[in-house]
Amino acid sequence: DAGVIQSPRHEVTEMGQEVTLRCKPISGHNSLFWYRQTMMRGLELLIYFNNNVPIDDSGMPEDRFSAKMPNASFSTLKIQPSEPRDSAVYFCASSLREMGNEQFFGPGTRLTVL
Amino acid sequence: QKEVEQNSGPLSVPEGAIASLNCTYSDRVSQSFFWYRQYSGKSPELIMSIYSNGDKEDGRFTAQLNKASQYVSLLIRDSQPSDSATYLCAVNEGNFNKFYFGSGTKLNVKP
Repeated sequence: DAGVIQSPRHEVTEMGQEVTLRCKPISGHNSLFWYRQTMMRGLELLIYFNNNVPIDDSGMPEDRFSAKMPNASFSTLKIQPSEPRDSAVYFCASSLREMGNEQFFGPGTRLTVL
Repeated sequence: QKEVEQNSGPLSVPEGAIASLNCTYSDRVSQSFFWYRQYSGKSPELIMSIYSNGDKEDGRFTAQLNKASQYVSLLIRDSQPSDSATYLCAVNEGNFNKFYFGSGTKLNVKP
């Protein structure tokens, strides 16, 4: 079975540029989560969706961050404009609420903003 | 503010020994508990979930839950160098599928 798919795996960009990260959850899962991980702050939840609807975006750091889930098989996290402090690994995870809420993580996108 | 606390380590154990990883949480309504393993440069990998008080065993791994003490632990028997990783504890309320993660415990298993 295919796991959570994320693209790109690595992204290097310059400050001020727009960055779009993509995620395809596990087929049949109805919840999707975006996390950010840094050495200083650990694993932080940015936003999560249930049945394509954003439920909690309290972790989104600033208005520069936005996320969408137009359908059950695709989500994007956009940063515009990007800043060096956004450099981190961004993970997408998905779960099925009826199956104990176990979350399964994608491989992550390592973002470097110069 | 919900908190999940873990000792950052590193916890060093010799190969073949039992590694004991601990986690405490602040919210009494928490219902589901999870252990993730994260190798350096990789994503978190779910290794155990536990929902009721007591022990749950899966191969060399045993998760222990004590809701009265707000404490969950992970025991790794016959530790191997390949178990060297950071172990993350996660707690879920149940009504909402939002997880609260600890900062992780780094485990080193020495050959």
